[in-house]
Amino acid sequence: EAQVTQNPRYLITVTGKKLTVTCSQNMNHEYMSWYRQDPGLGLRQIYYSMNVEVTDKGDVPEGYKVSRKEKRNFPLILESPSPNQTSLYFCASTPQGPRSEAFFGQGTRLTVV
Amino acid sequence: KQEVTQIPAALSVPEGENLVLNCSFTDSAIYNLQWFRQDPGKGLTSLLLIQSSQREQTSGRLNASLDKSSGRSTLYIAASQPGDSATYLCAVSSKTTDSWGKLQFGAGTQVVVTP
Repeated sequence: EAQVTQNPRYLITVTGKKLTVTCSQNMNHEYMSWYRQDPGLGLRQIYYSMNVEVTDKGDVPEGYKVSRKEKRNFPLILESPSPNQTSLYFCASTPQGPRSEAFFGQGTRLTVV
Repeated sequence: KQEVTQIPAALSVPEGENLVLNCSFTDSAIYNLQWFRQDPGKGLTSLLLIQSSQREQTSGRLNASLDKSSGRSTLYIAASQPGDSATYLCAVSSKTTDSWGKLQFGAGTQVVVTP
């Protein structure tokens, strides 16, 4: 089944403890991106990647890192999480960048205390 | 910068009634517009994608129109069912430099279909 898979689905962590949220797609898509969703602010892009080893900042990149060493994987790294990064995170992929349909993962609910 | 607005923010209809959801955007230089469904605390499910060259897309009971020149899209859901209760989001993929590479989302319309 074609899908975007995020792990974990739920995570509670403490301030400052590094964490990684994984994202993997099995559709051989070139383009992947991360969004966060917050009440009243909607969905905002954190980072995106046009291809392996090519990443760029979205609207809210502060406090996040990404890497794209393989085409299928696009992990989101929080080096020192803070409470304001408590949010619902989504990974997405598209076959041809912004010109084509986006497929989203099931989301990761992150709480930083 | 592209801005996307959805009206109304919430909508409640009796089962069987047709749903009409609106989405407007400020910059017509777009690649496409996509409609999503989101259930509480869940992921985004793609419903329809309309390319900028298209006027309409249909899938089952869903029909989406696009008027790029006026910056509007409408999602119609025929003969609504309680299972249609969810939040519906529209998202625009823009060609302009400051919005390129990202989807710009509206705030969503929360729909409740009562039995």
